[in-house]
Amino acid sequence: SQTIHQWPATLVQPVGSPLSLECTVEGTSNPNLYWYRQAAGRGLQLLFYSVGIGQISSEVPQNLSASRPQDRQFILSSKKLLLSDSGFYLCAWGYGSNQPQHFGDGTRLSIL
Amino acid sequence: DAKTTQPNSMESNEEEPVHLPCNHSTISGTDYIHWYRQLPSQGPEYVIHGLTSNVNNRMASLAIAEDRKSSTLILHRATLRDAAVYYCILRDGNNNDMRFGAGTRLTVKP
Repeated sequence: SQTIHQWPATLVQPVGSPLSLECTVEGTSNPNLYWYRQAAGRGLQLLFYSVGIGQISSEVPQNLSASRPQDRQFILSSKKLLLSDSGFYLCAWGYGSNQPQHFGDGTRLSIL
Repeated sequence: DAKTTQPNSMESNEEEPVHLPCNHSTISGTDYIHWYRQLPSQGPEYVIHGLTSNVNNRMASLAIAEDRKSSTLILHRATLRDAAVYYCILRDGNNNDMRFGAGTRLTVKP
């Protein structure tokens, strides 16, 4: 069966520090991969998605970036975090619009 | 993706059916209707999806209007564990992204 792993579950970082969140998927190949962010009390905002290795589509211009170095690995990064980067970050995988998306458990990021 | 409109909140009594409406008047012929729910502090969970015909699975039923401009998610017997935010999303058959709106917060009363 397919599983998706995100880590860490929680993270507290100072303003201006770098960020690296990792997401891996098991039991499937060549999935579409997604990063979402959810601010407190708000809906989900699509940040990036990828349809293959090295292929990244960015939805929101900001100080975050994403990379897909391997088929089932998706990384969200920042060189210098801002206070506004706080939120609940979710990774998901799927296979196109007529198939479900499956979400990880998320990383709750707090910026101090 | 075309836009959806959902009520901000709804209430239900435990063990009663719940009908969660969604309007999508600008839906295109290639848009799939997806429903997800999100429990507090968790990632969204897939519930059901469909294109034109009504759909049933172990979690819920999806009733799609004949003109496809609206749909209804039906929980046949609400439980306390069904309390969540429910999102209705249209996914274009030509795109790979998925965009969430504000959803409907469902409260289930014992």
